[in-house]
Amino acid sequence: DGGITQSPKYLFRKEGQNVTLSCEQNLNHDAMYWYRQDPGQGLRLIYYSQIVNDFQKGDIAEGYSVSREKKESFPLTVTSAQKNPTAFYLCASSIEAGVVNTEAFFGQGTRLTVV
Amino acid sequence: GESVGLHLPTLSVQEGDNSIINCAYSNSASDYFIWYKQESGKGPQFIIDIRSNMDKRQGQRVTVLLNKTVKHLSLQIAATQPGDSAVYFCAEKEDFGNEKLTFGTGTRLTIIP
Repeated sequence: DGGITQSPKYLFRKEGQNVTLSCEQNLNHDAMYWYRQDPGQGLRLIYYSQIVNDFQKGDIAEGYSVSREKKESFPLTVTSAQKNPTAFYLCASSIEAGVVNTEAFFGQGTRLTVV
Repeated sequence: GESVGLHLPTLSVQEGDNSIINCAYSNSASDYFIWYKQESGKGPQFIIDIRSNMDKRQGQRVTVLLNKTVKHLSLQIAATQPGDSAVYFCAEKEDFGNEKLTFGTGTRLTIIP
């Protein structure tokens, strides 16, 4: 089935360690996104990518890094510079709006806990 | 701006009644809007979308209204059911060529049996 997959669902890391969250899609979508969600709050954009080998900072990019070497994959690294990394991370993808805007499809999220 | 420290607005509606969830946006360049539903511990699911050349769009039990003059979006859910209990977010995207998708604060809808 086509879709967007985030792994793992739960992730625990020690403070000071970098950690990489996986996001893979087989929808042939050009655009991919990473959002952070804190308990009881909305989604804040970390990074997004419109096309392979290109990405832009969102509203809260500090302490995070991404790569987009393949169309299917958009991994997010939470670095030790991120002061409060514990959160629910959501990845999404959408068709690049060359002709018409379409909605973004979301994965099921990764809950990261840093202890 | 960021919503750190702010908690979601809440709305409680009796089962079977209609509900209206509102969203204000600030970017006048936004030309595509989406409503998402998020259940606890899951990713958001698409409900309905609307383009800036429209002011109303209807789906199954849902209607989205767009007022570009005051930068306001609303989601109407008819004949609410217990399964409608969730957090609802609006999202906006700018003109073609800019894929940045920005979310609003969200509203927690609770359906009372």
